[in-house]
Amino acid sequence: GAVVSQHPSRVICKSGTSVKIECRSLDFQATTMFWYRQFPKQSLMLMATSNEGSKATYEQGVEKDKFLINHASLTLSTLTVTSAHPEDSSFYICSATRRKVKPYEQYFGPGTRLTVT
Amino acid sequence: AQKITQTQPGMFVQEKEAVTLDCTYDTSDPSYGLFWYKQPSSGEMIFLIYQGSYDQQNATEGRYSLNFQKARKSANLVISASQLGDSAMYFCAMRDNFNKFYFGSGTKLNVKP
Repeated sequence: GAVVSQHPSRVICKSGTSVKIECRSLDFQATTMFWYRQFPKQSLMLMATSNEGSKATYEQGVEKDKFLINHASLTLSTLTVTSAHPEDSSFYICSATRRKVKPYEQYFGPGTRLTVT
Repeated sequence: AQKITQTQPGMFVQEKEAVTLDCTYDTSDPSYGLFWYKQPSSGEMIFLIYQGSYDQQNATEGRYSLNFQKARKSANLVISASQLGDSAMYFCAMRDNFNKFYFGSGTKLNVKP
């Protein structure tokens, strides 16, 4: 159990457009979902923490108006990159922690590779 | 301040030999968790092993063991009997008291046949 999916796995968009990435916990209810960004050959950088039904908490330096996070249910969180630019090209990974069970473990999605042309 | 430090950007190991990947951490919280993840070229993060700050014994999961030295604030990953499929990036991570995760910069492991 504890599977997290992301959709799409790859997306190419033109500069100025918006892109939505979905993160779903398939077989469990997620207390919290996290969004990370990873540049090539670098570590994961936490962008924001998302709890169901409340506003996301963004890390310092992350523009909340640019990276819109919606945590609509206990199994779904979305990240929308608004007015994307080439510098937003990156690997975006979500993760989730389980409600009431093993809160100390994060389950990661397979990631979404965003390329902005 | 950097919470997790991995000082080895790259490591080589001969197939079937053991290898240790270093990780040190920094926290003043009494309660925390330490994790190791493997990231192959496909990008997915694969959970390997977990150690809680109050755990008395070192964690083990198959060929993976975590050498936890609390006083030194180190949590090294030991992979025994390396396999070619172990070639990947390895990240050490720490969960703090607020359930926030901090990742190290990673170690790229290459297993040579």
